[in-house]
Amino acid sequence: GNSVTQMEGPVTLSEEAFLTINCTYTATGYPSLFWYVQYPGEGLQLLLKATKADDKGSNKGFEATYRKETTSFHLEKGSVQVSDSAVYFCALSENGGKLIFGQGTELSVKP
Amino acid sequence: NAGVTQTPKFQVLKTGQSMTLQCAQDMNHEYMSWYRQDPGMGLRLIHYSVGAGITDQGEVPNGYNVSRSTTEDFPLRLLSAAPSQTSVYFCASSVGRGDTEAFFGQGTRLTVV
Repeated sequence: GNSVTQMEGPVTLSEEAFLTINCTYTATGYPSLFWYVQYPGEGLQLLLKATKADDKGSNKGFEATYRKETTSFHLEKGSVQVSDSAVYFCALSENGGKLIFGQGTELSVKP
Repeated sequence: NAGVTQTPKFQVLKTGQSMTLQCAQDMNHEYMSWYRQDPGMGLRLIHYSVGAGITDQGEVPNGYNVSRSTTEDFPLRLLSAAPSQTSVYFCASSVGRGDTEAFFGQGTRLTVV
C-alpha cells in the first residue's frame, strides 16, 4: 500500500540556519503531496502542497518540490526562526481525500 | 467561522468505560475522518466518511465505532476503553478531493487508566 517516510527527529537548529526535512513516498498512481505543521497544543494545519510532478509548493518561506523520479517531497527553508518550532508532517492523498502521514519530525529552533 | 470543533479537549477514562468524542464542522464538507496520533507513528486513520450515512474503516478501526447521520457531525465512540487507546485524537474534514486541504480540529487528549 501507499506509505510516507520522513527523516527522524528531533531536529534542533539555531535561528537563521538552513532547514531540510526529508520525505519520501511509495504510491500507486499520482497522489497529491502535502506538508502539514502542528504547533504546540494545536491541531494540524496545511503548510504547502503540490498536486503533480515538478510542482513546487511554497508558503511562509518554506518550499518543497514534487520529485516523481526520486519519489520525494523534501521540505526546505533558507532561514528558520524560533517561531518555526513545531512538528512537521509529510502526507500523501489517496482517493477521496484520505491522507497517509509520515511519522512527523519535531523541529526546535534556538535563539 | 468555527471550522472543525472537537470536544472534549481532555478526558481520563477507566479501563472498560465507554465514551463518545464529538466532532462537528461548519464548512459543509462531505469527507470527515478520525485519526489517532501516537509518538513516533504520525497520524493513523481510524474511520472515515465520504458523506452522511456512509462510513468505512481506516488503518486502526478496532475498538472504535462511528456513525454519520448528518453532514456536520461525525462522533467517534470508544466501546470499552483500553490503555492502548491512550492517544491524541484528531478529527478532520475536507471537500473530499485528493488535491484539497484537510482541516483539523484541535484534538482530544485521552488517557485510559
